Amino acid sequence: AQSVTQPDIHITVSEGASLELRCNYSYGATPYLFWYVQSPGQGLQLLLKYFSGDTLVQGIKGFEAEFKRSQSSFNLRKPSVHWSDAAEYFCAVGAYNDMRFGAGTRLTVKP
Amino acid sequence: NAGVTQTPKFRVLKTGQSMTLLCAQDMNHEYMYWYRQDPGMGLRLIHYSVGEGTTAKGEVPDGYNVSRLKKQNFLLGLESAAPSQTSVYFCASRPNRQVRGQNTEAFFGQGTRLTVV
Repeated sequence: AQSVTQPDIHITVSEGASLELRCNYSYGATPYLFWYVQSPGQGLQLLLKYFSGDTLVQGIKGFEAEFKRSQSSFNLRKPSVHWSDAAEYFCAVGAYNDMRFGAGTRLTVKP
Repeated sequence: NAGVTQTPKFRVLKTGQSMTLLCAQDMNHEYMYWYRQDPGMGLRLIHYSVGEGTTAKGEVPDGYNVSRLKKQNFLLGLESAAPSQTSVYFCASRPNRQVRGQNTEAFFGQGTRLTVV
């Protein structure tokens, strides 16, 4: 079965600094990969997704992610973090039928 | 367009009580999922369904049952609630890419916060 690992439970960055959230997956075939964001008390919102093609994908709110098959990774990046980006971020891998999520990374943004 | 709607939004149960969480989607999606979210553990898949009348177990199915009698509805049941089932429950739906000829993400409801005392 597929699985997702997000090594960082909590990350703190200063506003305006760059951000990278790590995601590693385990899946036997070509994965469908996603990043979702969850604000406190809210549901999940899709940031971006990768199915095939260009390995660098652009998402909403200025986020991007790069798929690296050789490293089984799909890291999320943002060049300049805003205070409103403080939230929890989930990486997910979607197989044919089901979707599995990582444990999440909580992002704190310092003024 | 309502998307995915979960009812109820909040519920407090006593140990041993039963209840059913309802998930309804109006996007004609084939796949539906139930997850639970606990601190530090992300979202864990409880059960899922690939179509009307079919269900399958996910990562943490014990203590839960599901039914998909209609394509638009996916019910999650707790027959005898336990404190360990205190959690936030999320429902999601997703199209079948083989049917639609496209790949896409899952769409989530707003969650049900369940407390078992």
